Amino acid sequence: EVQLLESGGGLVQPGGSLRLSCVASGFTFSGYAVNWVRQAPGKGLEWVSGITGSGAGTFYADSLKGRLTISRDNSKNTLYLQMNSLRAEDTAIYYCAKEIRSTSKGSFDIWGQGTKVTVSS
Amino acid sequence: QSALTQPPSASGSPGQSVTIFCTGTSSDIGGYNYVSWYQQHPGKAPKLIMYEVTQRPSGVPDRFSGSKSGNTASLTVSGLQAEDEAYYYCNSYGGRNNVIFGGGTKLTVL
Repeated sequence: EVQLLESGGGLVQPGGSLRLSCVASGFTFSGYAVNWVRQAPGKGLEWVSGITGSGAGTFYADSLKGRLTISRDNSKNTLYLQMNSLRAEDTAIYYCAKEIRSTSKGSFDIWGQGTKVTVSS
Repeated sequence: QSALTQPPSASGSPGQSVTIFCTGTSSDIGGYNYVSWYQQHPGKAPKLIMYEVTQRPSGVPDRFSGSKSGNTASLTVSGLQAEDEAYYYCNSYGGRNNVIFGGGTKLTVL
């Protein structure tokens, strides 16, 4: 079964850091770009970051650049998101999502169940 | 880049058709054929129901169809069923390796 499973969320104080992980199974992980998408409580979806299959290309939402680092370890089938200088407005469920094919952009066919990040003192 | 514009709500009776619009600019929807639509039920992860404007992923009923004209994309749900009641989000490639989502539309089946 094709699956993504996130972990690493939790409660963190403003200004703190957190590293999210997403373990993939059931498909050739290195063959696909993967992304992070977040959803604040009661709000819509927001694209956060993406990384190519090889890891050579990394992309970030303009509003979040400088505070995030996306990376992947294809030997471990794992995607990461390092988040620094966290703010209350970063509170959200963070989903990892896989592109449906290598030539597509923004077409996320497989999603994890999400990991909840709460930034609060 | 600004979020794509969707109506906050839409509704229809069982068996009817409803169309949800998603408006962007020439820098996103109008510039690329990379528009996707997602269905999200409360408490669940989003599900891809349309990609590259008109392509349906495997397993998505053909009651769902997509199109685009200029800077506006649309998703039509035909033969509405109770299980279609959900939030629907569009997204588009926005150039410079950015992806932009719409604000979401709550579809109510009356």
